[in-house]
Order: sequence, then C-alpha cells, then structure tokens
Amino acid sequence: NAGVTQTPKFQVLKTGQSMTLQCAQDMNHNSMYWYRQDPGMGLRLIYYSASEGTTDKGEVPNGYNVSRLNKREFSLRLESAAPSQTSVYFCASSEPGVNSPLHFGNGTRLTVT
Amino acid sequence: QKEVEQNSGPLSVPEGAIASLNCTYSDRGSQSFFWYRQYSGKSPELIMSIYSNGDKEDGRFTAQLNKASQYVSLLIRDSQPSDSATYLCAVKNTGNQFYFGTGTSLTVIP
Repeated sequence: NAGVTQTPKFQVLKTGQSMTLQCAQDMNHNSMYWYRQDPGMGLRLIYYSASEGTTDKGEVPNGYNVSRLNKREFSLRLESAAPSQTSVYFCASSEPGVNSPLHFGNGTRLTVT
Repeated sequence: QKEVEQNSGPLSVPEGAIASLNCTYSDRGSQSFFWYRQYSGKSPELIMSIYSNGDKEDGRFTAQLNKASQYVSLLIRDSQPSDSATYLCAVKNTGNQFYFGTGTSLTVIP
C-alpha cells in the first residue's frame, strides 16, 4: 500500500519557469491538500480539495494553481516560478470525518534560482 | 493572530525524563487535534489524535485537551534519543481544513 505518492522528489527551476507537482493517493480518500513548509513558518495550506471537482484556496494560494484530476490525483502547478516559492511541498489526503487525520506524501524539495 | 501557536523551542530533556509540548489555538469551532512527529528531511507522521476534553494515552505518549482554554499538550514519558524530532500540533476545523503550528524542536540527551 503506497499511501500518498509525490513526484518529483527534488526539482531546481530558474525564475519564470513553470512546473507541475504530481500527487496520487491509493487510500480512496475524498479530501486532498497541498502544503508548503518553510523554516520557522511551519506547514502552510496552499490549496485544498474536498472532493473530485472541487478546490478551495488555503492560506498562501498566490502563484499556484491546482487540478483535482480525479479522486486519486491532485496536482499543483507553478506557472512562473519565483525564488519565494523555494520550499518543501507536501501533498496530503484525508477522509472528511472529524476523527480522520492527514496522511502525508514524502515531499518535493523545490529550489528556484 | 496565527491560528495555531507552539513554542518553537528548542526543548532539551535528558533521557528518561518527561517532555512536555504545548499548543494553543484560536478557532473555538475546531473539532479535532493531532500531534505529528517530523524527523529532519522527512514527512510528518501521526503520533496522537484527540477530540474530547481530558487525557488520551497511547504507550509513552499522552495527549491532553482543554477546549475551554483552547489548549492541547503532548507528554512524552521516558524520553528516548529516538524521540528527538520536531513535533507539530495540527487543528482540524469544521471546514475539514488542517492548520499547523510552527513546531517544537525536541532533543533528548543520552
């Protein structure tokens, strides 16, 4: 059981380049999330998808777009990368029940030069 | 005001001691609370969850919740060097969104 799978693990971009971070989960969860983690800032929610076909902005959505392709997959796109987007990105999934925790992928370390 | 506040530490305790980690939250409508452990360079892993006021014990870990004071804590008994990590407090709101504190760095000294 793979859980939440993110690709790639590492990426270096130049300012202005675009890329898509991929995420897939095999736990049949309805809800999926994208977070970024920066030193001293903790995990901050970028976007959230309650179910297939729905997405909502989180705390720090500027500069990002998302697509909930189907129940399994939730991608994060950077259209024009900026150095401020250098971070570690985590995808996570959860069931919507109050008692259900987040399950995290292994993260993508992105550097924008 | 940040939704979830944690003392960033670092917190150092000797091996075998009790480590106490604290978290406060601002949204009174928050429904459930989670503690995650994160080793350097790794993803967060779930340690404990708590939903009702009071204590919840799981092995060496005890989570405590006081909704009136908007306070959650994690106690680690008989701390081991392998417990050295960053501990993240997470709060789940009625919109099914999770908000995290900045984490507390714990070092257990052998």
